[in-house]
Amino acid sequence: DVVMTQSPLSLPVTLGQPASISCRSSQSLLYSDGNTHLSWFHQRPGQSPRRLIYKVSNRDSGVPDRFIGSGSGTDFTLNISRVEAEDVGLYYCMQGAYWPYTFGQGTRLEIK
Amino acid sequence: EVQLVESGGGSVQPGGSLRLSCVASGFSFSNYWMHWVRQAPGKGLVCVSRINGDGSNMNYVDSVKGRFTISRDNAKKMVYLEMNSLRVEDTAMYFCARDSSWSIDYWGQGILVTVSS
Repeated sequence: DVVMTQSPLSLPVTLGQPASISCRSSQSLLYSDGNTHLSWFHQRPGQSPRRLIYKVSNRDSGVPDRFIGSGSGTDFTLNISRVEAEDVGLYYCMQGAYWPYTFGQGTRLEIK
Repeated sequence: EVQLVESGGGSVQPGGSLRLSCVASGFSFSNYWMHWVRQAPGKGLVCVSRINGDGSNMNYVDSVKGRFTISRDNAKKMVYLEMNSLRVEDTAMYFCARDSSWSIDYWGQGILVTVSS
């Protein structure tokens, strides 16, 4: 299975400051269709995950533009330009290029 | 509006069986692969199984192969997960989820499965 490794696992951030989460895959996520199938999700306590980003850098409808996905191949990053209180929770990267789809361990974002 | 609603969870002893159901609405159900994803208490997310639109192709994660069976009824807009020979380590919240171009775009609210003696 493709191993997804996130860092850091804990991310304390001051309100209004930027945040960055790294995600690395054990194999290239460039698929035969020419797309790179890396997604980002946000999960608040007691809720199901919500997708923020798909195919590395495409924001889902309703996702604020402060969330920016980037990367290629095996190295990916989720940047939050200015953290707001509603951004707390767990962030997961996920690869969909190979079955089984696999997730990173999760990064817990908290407000300092 | 896309909605996915799971049911059928509960508590069961090791070795027992459960059948999870998920009813979909708000989209053309038969056009989409569907997944079951689980999350053990305090742990991360694991894709357990998926099924294609017409139900002819199913995939499983190694840890559930031979024990779990995914199926669907497109007329009823339902997807199922039959879970047999349950183990303590199968204890988790199980989410029904929709696949969209090798990603997951919608999730249900989840249903809890507890395997304990």
